[in-house]
Amino acid sequence: GQNIDQPTEMTATEGAIVQINCTYQTSGFNGLFWYQQHAGEAPTFLSYNVLDGLEEKGRFSSFLSRSKGYSYLLLKELQMKDSASYLCAVRGIGSSNTGKLIFGQGTTLQVKP
Amino acid sequence: NAGVTQTPKFRILKIGQSMTLQCTQDMNHNYMYWYRQDPGMGLKLIYYSVGAGITDKGEVPNGYNVSRSTTEDFPLRLELAAPSQTSVYFCASRPARDTYEQYFGPGTRLTVT
Repeated sequence: GQNIDQPTEMTATEGAIVQINCTYQTSGFNGLFWYQQHAGEAPTFLSYNVLDGLEEKGRFSSFLSRSKGYSYLLLKELQMKDSASYLCAVRGIGSSNTGKLIFGQGTTLQVKP
Repeated sequence: NAGVTQTPKFRILKIGQSMTLQCTQDMNHNYMYWYRQDPGMGLKLIYYSVGAGITDKGEVPNGYNVSRSTTEDFPLRLELAAPSQTSVYFCASRPARDTYEQYFGPGTRLTVT
């Protein structure tokens, strides 16, 4: 089966660091995505990992361990505008031609002053 | 470029009515996708297309139909609307086989009563 797990909600303080975890069990693996979605808006792309390790992009970093079926998104120097849902998505088996994604339920992050 | 556009933004349907959700992209992307997002949940793939004239089912295709007569347009048809189809519908597109990021439209919020 296909299963992607993320915490439902997290709260953090402005200026702090927060780590959002994602574990997956899918039929095959062709890469993992993180998307940000503000309330009432469309998802926007944050990061893509296909090999093990850390990918850094400004205040955001994403880590992947394929052997553990595990990823995390690290947000540094949190700002109020980072309050949003963060969606973990996996490209599973048969997706190399189609680009089909399997999404987790998303983690709603609330940043407090 | 306008990117991915969707119409309408909001719609209320009565049970048993039909409608078409429009999706257009002006980026000459080959791949297009329809997702639905229920409250507090991630995105579920309804249908996708890898090019004009080619469509296939995703995870939750029942109650929906699609067509792809041009590269630009990928309409989603709801026949005999049911309350279970109350959701936010997102259309997305992706340029080519070796690029992975999907670009999302602003969404259509549909209520069936």
